[in-house]
Amino acid sequence: QKEVEQNSGPLSVPEGAIASLNCTYSDRGSQSFFWYRQYSGKSPELIMFIYSNGDKEDGRFTAQLNKASQYVSLLIRDSQPSDSATYLCAVNLSGAGSYQLTFGKGTKLSVIP
Amino acid sequence: DTEVTQTPKHLVMGMTNKKSLKCEQHMGHRAMYWYKQKAKKPPELMFVYSYEKLSINESVPSRFSPECPNSSLLNLHLHALQPEDSALYLCASSPRSGGDYNEQFFGPGTRLTVL
Repeated sequence: QKEVEQNSGPLSVPEGAIASLNCTYSDRGSQSFFWYRQYSGKSPELIMFIYSNGDKEDGRFTAQLNKASQYVSLLIRDSQPSDSATYLCAVNLSGAGSYQLTFGKGTKLSVIP
Repeated sequence: DTEVTQTPKHLVMGMTNKKSLKCEQHMGHRAMYWYKQKAKKPPELMFVYSYEKLSINESVPSRFSPECPNSSLLNLHLHALQPEDSALYLCASSPRSGGDYNEQFFGPGTRLTVL
């Protein structure tokens, strides 16, 4: 069973702090990694994707990938109350299942004003 | 424009009704997907269409019937649903047909309630 694991939270951070969200995956052949943000009652929104080891930055968001450790993370700098949402880590399975995104269960983030 | 549209936004139906969900994308994407999401759970893949052909059916009951009339449209026909089928139904599309480095973009979803 190929799995994606996330801490379900809730993760509470004060406004202006850095929020760190973590994800591990079991399929060593996976090449594509995605972070989705989902507000309550809404659909998932793709906010970051990363395909190479290292860091990828986009505004206040930084995705980090370490394929050797099978670990991907999302950092949110200067957290705002509007960042309060559930963050889903998704991994594209390798091989024949490569259409399929395997999602973690999501981490609920609360940014406290 | 990374937009996938879905109609209707909300749907309430009885167990004997027949209804359809619609999804549209104009990004030239070659793959389209149906997902089902229950509260506090991640999305679950139901179907994948690749170049307008059904590629994956994740053992979904026959009361759900997908259709892809053309490369921009995806329908999900519903018949004789059960109350446990109540969920958020999400459509997604991706630029390429499978493989890596293939971002999926979700529509806003249809909130389905089966009475």
